[in-house]
Amino acid sequence: QKEVEQDPGPLSVPEGAIVSLNCTYSNSAFQYFMWYRQYSRKGPELLMYTYSSGNKEDGRFTAQVDKSSKYISLFIRDSQPSDSATYLCAMGLTGGGNKLTFGTGTQLKVEL
Amino acid sequence: EAGVTQSPTHLIKTRGQQATLRCSPISGHTSVYWYQQALGLGLQFLLWYDEGEERNRGNFPPRFSGRQFPNYSSELNVNALELEDSALYLCASSPGTDYGYTFGSGTRLTVV
Repeated sequence: QKEVEQDPGPLSVPEGAIVSLNCTYSNSAFQYFMWYRQYSRKGPELLMYTYSSGNKEDGRFTAQVDKSSKYISLFIRDSQPSDSATYLCAMGLTGGGNKLTFGTGTQLKVEL
Repeated sequence: EAGVTQSPTHLIKTRGQQATLRCSPISGHTSVYWYQQALGLGLQFLLWYDEGEERNRGNFPPRFSGRQFPNYSSELNVNALELEDSALYLCASSPGTDYGYTFGSGTRLTVV
């Protein structure tokens, strides 16, 4: 079993839809949770960075962490074609040697 | 502000050869990370350098090595190349031990 599981998609939604992207994990020691966006032939770009449980909002993006269920989510409101990319979740430990463990990514396509 | 820069963008090598990949971090960032992104496998942690020292290493054979220079730039060396080393190699940097990495666009290594 992988430490971090993420549905690879592809996920196709119409412009303006609310998108929900999710990851589950098995290591309850993870405390740092990130979401990265990766466009084709580019490096990942940090979107959201949260510590422990709860919600964090930044513009159209909301990150949610539920440590009791070992489940994290990224919500994108009013999705745009420019949001079409692969979304990667990543997690880290305190004292984890600064290593991030990534999901394999969900490919999102927002259609006009 | 310049981001994380990697060179070369593409590299084609023959099996058994050595490859050297280079990375310049964001100014002021002392930590440099290397990740391998192979098709279907997601990002795999390779190495973490901070203040010129190797601080953590992922589950890769010793033929993957690197170093960090006094100006915090870094290089990754891959010896005795194998076909399965073909991947996108991503460098990231962060200020100190912050998990909020910034990634470069990567070096696409192809081993033939």
